[in-house]
Amino acid sequence: RKEVEQDPGPFNVPEGATVAFNCTYSNSASQSFFWYRQDCRKEPKLLMSVYSSGNEDGRFTAQLNRASQYISLLIRDSKLSDSATYLCVVAQTGANNLFFGTGTRLTVIP
Amino acid sequence: DTGVSQNPRHKITKRGQNVTFRCDPISEHNRLYWYRQTLGQGPEFLTYFQNEAQLEKSRLLSDRFSAERPKGSFSTLEIQRTEQGDSAMYLCASSLHGSSYEQYFGPGTRLTVT
Repeated sequence: RKEVEQDPGPFNVPEGATVAFNCTYSNSASQSFFWYRQDCRKEPKLLMSVYSSGNEDGRFTAQLNRASQYISLLIRDSKLSDSATYLCVVAQTGANNLFFGTGTRLTVIP
Repeated sequence: DTGVSQNPRHKITKRGQNVTFRCDPISEHNRLYWYRQTLGQGPEFLTYFQNEAQLEKSRLLSDRFSAERPKGSFSTLEIQRTEQGDSAMYLCASSLHGSSYEQYFGPGTRLTVT
């Protein structure tokens, strides 16, 4: 079983739409959670960390449900520049590496 | 540019040849990681250094792979006797001790084994 599972998409949404991505993780000892963004043929870049209480950064909202081992990312008022692959990332207690999901591809259409 | 840099950006090699990649982390970062990413997948962890010490290796890192970080600054990843299955993007990341989960990635080296 993979450490992190994501729906690969693709998600094609019109500009201005709200879109939500979900992922699940298998190890209940997981300690830290992130969303990374990866543009085509570029390196992953940290979008935001995910905190237990949920957190928001502008149009982006991340939530964590530890009981269900589930993480979500909500993007409001989608922009063309939001088109990218969104990677769900988990770090386990005592581990030094990150576990990445396969990524969810988003295309925002004019 | 003070980010993570990697060289070369692209490498095409014939099966059976050896290749070496270099990563220069952000200068004050003492942790350095290597990942591999294939098409349609997320990055997969290969190995990790804290300063010059290699502290963890993934099962993905076969005997043909070796990584070094001799002075605790730049790192090299060597693949011996390359196979077609080694074709992938090799990503390097670095972080500060104490915030090890906030990893900053380099642009990667894309390896194609023909």
